[in-house]
Amino acid sequence: KQEVTQIPAALSVPEGENLVLNCSFTDSAIYNLQWFRQDPGKGLTSLLLIQSSQREQTSGRLNASLDKSSGRSTLYIAASQPGDSATYLCAVLPGYALNFGKGTSLLVTP
Amino acid sequence: DAGVIQSPRHEVTEMGQEVTLRCKPISGHNSLFWYRQTMMRGLELLIYFNNNVPIDDSGMPEDRFSAKMPNASFSTLKIQPSEPRDSAVYFCASRFKQGGSYNEQFFGPGTRLTVL
Repeated sequence: KQEVTQIPAALSVPEGENLVLNCSFTDSAIYNLQWFRQDPGKGLTSLLLIQSSQREQTSGRLNASLDKSSGRSTLYIAASQPGDSATYLCAVLPGYALNFGKGTSLLVTP
Repeated sequence: DAGVIQSPRHEVTEMGQEVTLRCKPISGHNSLFWYRQTMMRGLELLIYFNNNVPIDDSGMPEDRFSAKMPNASFSTLKIQPSEPRDSAVYFCASRFKQGGSYNEQFFGPGTRLTVL
């Protein structure tokens, strides 16, 4: 069974810092990987989707990379803002349904 | 598009009662998923429909859970009878699947279920 691990579980940084969230998965046979944002008590917002043939995707201040062979992905957030505070979830698609990590809870302090 | 729509957003019920959660996927999407999120286990797939047909229901906890998709624009997840351990956030997601392509899944806002 595909296991997805996210490190760290929680992170607190001052506003303006660049930061990296890590995701690892045990089976490299995936179709794609998605990064989501979840605000407290809210649903999931898709941030970036990386297909298995791609190495990275960028959207604004966000950049996600994928290294299938090593089973790793990183989400880079540039110039963090208090509004970035949320839980970030990584999910891989080994078949038709997503396998999720437990998430990294991010707090950006003013 | 309004996105994936779920109702109710919050449900509080007593043990033993029947609970029905509803989902309207994004128009044109042909795959629908029900996931459950708990603190202990995170997000887990309950059931997957493709073209209104249940493909994989291996994640459904037990016979108390059932799901239907009578048409392309509506799905229900029913729990009968409900138990306190069913308390969780239930998400519906949809996607357009064409051939071998695997597109982005879009999630609804979730239904927070509390069983007393």
